[in-house]
Amino acid sequence: SQKIEQNSEALNIQEGKTATLTCNYTNYSPAYLQWYRQDPGRGPVFLLLIRENEKEKRKERLKVTFDTTLKQSLFHITASQPADSATYLCAIIKAAGNKLTFGGGTRVLVKP
Amino acid sequence: GAVVSQHPSRVICKSGTSVKIECRSLDFQATTMFWYRQFPKQSLMLMATSNEGSKATYEQGVEKDKFLINHASLTLSTLTVTSAHPEDSSFYICSVPQGVLPEAFFGQGTRLTVV
Repeated sequence: SQKIEQNSEALNIQEGKTATLTCNYTNYSPAYLQWYRQDPGRGPVFLLLIRENEKEKRKERLKVTFDTTLKQSLFHITASQPADSATYLCAIIKAAGNKLTFGGGTRVLVKP
Repeated sequence: GAVVSQHPSRVICKSGTSVKIECRSLDFQATTMFWYRQFPKQSLMLMATSNEGSKATYEQGVEKDKFLINHASLTLSTLTVTSAHPEDSSFYICSVPQGVLPEAFFGQGTRLTVV
């Protein structure tokens, strides 16, 4: 069966450092892999997506890599700030308009 | 970009009663919307796909008679939790795909507590 795994342990990081989160998937060939941010009691907010034929994508302080051989995506937050503290979810999708399948999320806590 | 409005944000109801949750797409006409459920410290699990003009498609294990979905127009989908029980207490979130774009917009979520 399809499985998407993220590190369930919270990531505690010092302000200014780079946070790196991992997303692994099995039994799936997504066309897109996406990363969302979720704050407590709120719906997810889209951050970045990367296509199956792309290796890396950047947006401001965020960077996503995608290795379809390893079936893994890495999500980096550089120069982290306390405001980056949230849960980050990876999600995969077969095609635009289809349903998203989410990983369990990784909570990030950036300490000042 | 598309904005999704979900209402109510919180609701407390008595066991045995029904609760309706609305999901509106404010900027985008959506033939499809998705309903997710999220238990504490867990990820979002898809419950059903809401289809405008036709029946909803439910995921395995989700009772269609308990979670009624009505996609009344291209901008509104409703989820009704019927005969709610304490185990239905959860965070319900809708999402609207953006057509040709793969990313989705999500509602603010509804915290349902059944007492």
